[in-house]
Amino acid sequence: EVQLVESGGGLIQPGGSLRLSCAASGFTVSNNYMIWVRQAPGKGLEWVSVIYSGGSTYYADSVKGRFTISRDNSKNTLFLQMNSLRAEDTAVYYCARVRAIAVLDYWGQGSLVTVSS
Amino acid sequence: DIQMTQSPPSLSASVGDRVTITCQASQDISYYLNWYQQKPGKAPKLLIFDASNLETGVPSRFSGSGSGTNFTFTISSLQPEDIATYYCQQCDNLPLYTFGQGTKLEIK
Repeated sequence: EVQLVESGGGLIQPGGSLRLSCAASGFTVSNNYMIWVRQAPGKGLEWVSVIYSGGSTYYADSVKGRFTISRDNSKNTLFLQMNSLRAEDTAVYYCARVRAIAVLDYWGQGSLVTVSS
Repeated sequence: DIQMTQSPPSLSASVGDRVTITCQASQDISYYLNWYQQKPGKAPKLLIFDASNLETGVPSRFSGSGSGTNFTFTISSLQPEDIATYYCQQCDNLPLYTFGQGTKLEIK
């Protein structure tokens, strides 16, 4: 059974850093595209970052230069390192598996990140 | 960048009604369009991929159609458990996985 479990969210001050984890089971992270999608309170879905199976990484303009996506193949885990956090980064962050490069078929339960002083 | 415009932003319908949501792309995306359902407090769930293909395990009252720039998502007979927000997502202009703004569906 495919499962994705996020962790690492919490309350952080503006300018701070946080690392989200997404532990996967039932499939191999490194063989798939993996994506982070966020949802600000009361708002819609926004893709944040994607890592391809070959290792290429891409970022939304809103987080480019501040966020880094990575994976640990030995732990079958996806990460999102978030630096220089801003109030507008406050959101629930979801990780998801990307099937056939384009279809987000399995999602984690989400991890809330709150950026506030 | 491709913009995805969903309408209506919200919708109220009765149990048993046929419900239709539209999604318009700012440029031709062929059939590279997915639909997701998000219930309050939950993660999104894939319903339809490649415009018209029903994901395994999803009830047949859900369907999708369209190609190019205009797409439609339909619930043939609304059920109480279908209360949710529905999102389209284009997958033609990768790696930009752009979502529509969402349509919040409520029971009348």
